[in-house]
Parts: sequence; structure tokens; C-alpha cells
Amino acid sequence: SQELEQSPQSLIVQEGKNLTINCTSSKTLYGLYWYKQKYGEGLIFLMMLQKGGEEKSHEKITAKLDEKKQQSSLHITASQPSHAGIYLCGADGTGGGADGLTFGKGTHLIIQP
Amino acid sequence: DTAVSQTPKYLVTQMGNDKSIKCEQNLGHDTMYWYKQDSKKFLKIMFSYNNKELIINETVPNRFSPKSPDKAHLNLHINSLELGDSAVYFCASSQLGPLHFGNGTRLTVT
Repeated sequence: SQELEQSPQSLIVQEGKNLTINCTSSKTLYGLYWYKQKYGEGLIFLMMLQKGGEEKSHEKITAKLDEKKQQSSLHITASQPSHAGIYLCGADGTGGGADGLTFGKGTHLIIQP
Repeated sequence: DTAVSQTPKYLVTQMGNDKSIKCEQNLGHDTMYWYKQDSKKFLKIMFSYNNKELIINETVPNRFSPKSPDKAHLNLHINSLELGDSAVYFCASSQLGPLHFGNGTRLTVT
């Protein structure tokens, strides 16, 4: 079965600083999804990566998928308090979509003012 | 316009009781899911339903049963609740793309 390893488990960053969260898969990915969860709320979809070497950006968040499609990183530039929360990577291991996503254990991000 | 809605948001009940969590999606998606998030925030898939057919059942006790009256609804029934069932349960839907999640139901079994 597909396993996803996220690092770090938790991260405390001063406001305005950059940060990176990593996600490593035990198998080649058909698709890699990044989500954000605010405490006590549901998951918000951020970005989806499917092609080796793909990179996507939205506002101050950039996600990349490596050429081998087994590692992804999420980079936040000039962090703000609104970026605080739990970031989860989810993997589509079969390409079929209907099997759902396998998730990593999440990275807890705290932004210090 | 809530895309995936689940009720109730909070559910507190005693061991041994039977309870249900409802989920509805208005996105027209073919596949719906139930996920369980434990106290360490680890999110694990329980079931998925595609066109009223069960696709996955990931080693979930048979006390848990998903029921889908139509494509837009996937309810979760839990019989004989146990302390270890306490968690946040998320409903989600998808159409060959990202999953859209509800806001979760926090179940506390006392």
C-alpha cells in the first residue's frame, strides 16, 4: 500500500520568513494533492500535481513534484498568520480517482508574530 | 452554497449506543468517501462509494456501515459505539480530481 512521509511533523516560523514542507512517497505517484486544515475545520484543497517536474503556485504558496514523481515540496514565501494550520499531502496511487487519497500524517505550522 | 455538508458537527454519546452521521454533496460528483481523523490528526480512508457501489472498505469494523440513498448522499451508521471510535469523521466527494471535504463531525464516546 502507498505510504506518505511528511516532514517536518511540526514547524514554528517567525512571520515573514520562508518555509518548506516535504512529502515523500514509497511508490510512484499518479497524483499528489496538497491540502490545508485549519484547527477544528475541514480540509481545503490547495494544489494538485500530476506530471514529473511540475510546479504550481498560488499566491505565496508553491508546490513542486520531482521528476520521479515520488517527492513533493510545498514552499511558503513571506509567511503570514493566515498560513497557520495543518498541511497534508495526499496521494492518488492508482490513477483511477475513485479509490480516494492516502494522506501523510500532516505538518503542523505555527506562525509567530 | 455549501458543497459538502455533514451533520451533526458535534456528537457526544455513550458507549454501546448506535448513531448516524449524514453527508450530502451538491457538486454532482460520482464518488463519495468517509475518512476518520484520529487525535494525532492522521486521516485514514474508511469507505468510498461510486454510483451506489462500495469501492473500498479499509479494515473497518463491521459496526460501521455506509448507506447511500442516492448519488448525493452518503451516511455513516455506527452500531455499538466504543471509546476508540472517538475521532473526527470527514465526508468527501470527488469526480476524478481533488477531493472536496465537509467540515467534519467530532464524535466523542463516553
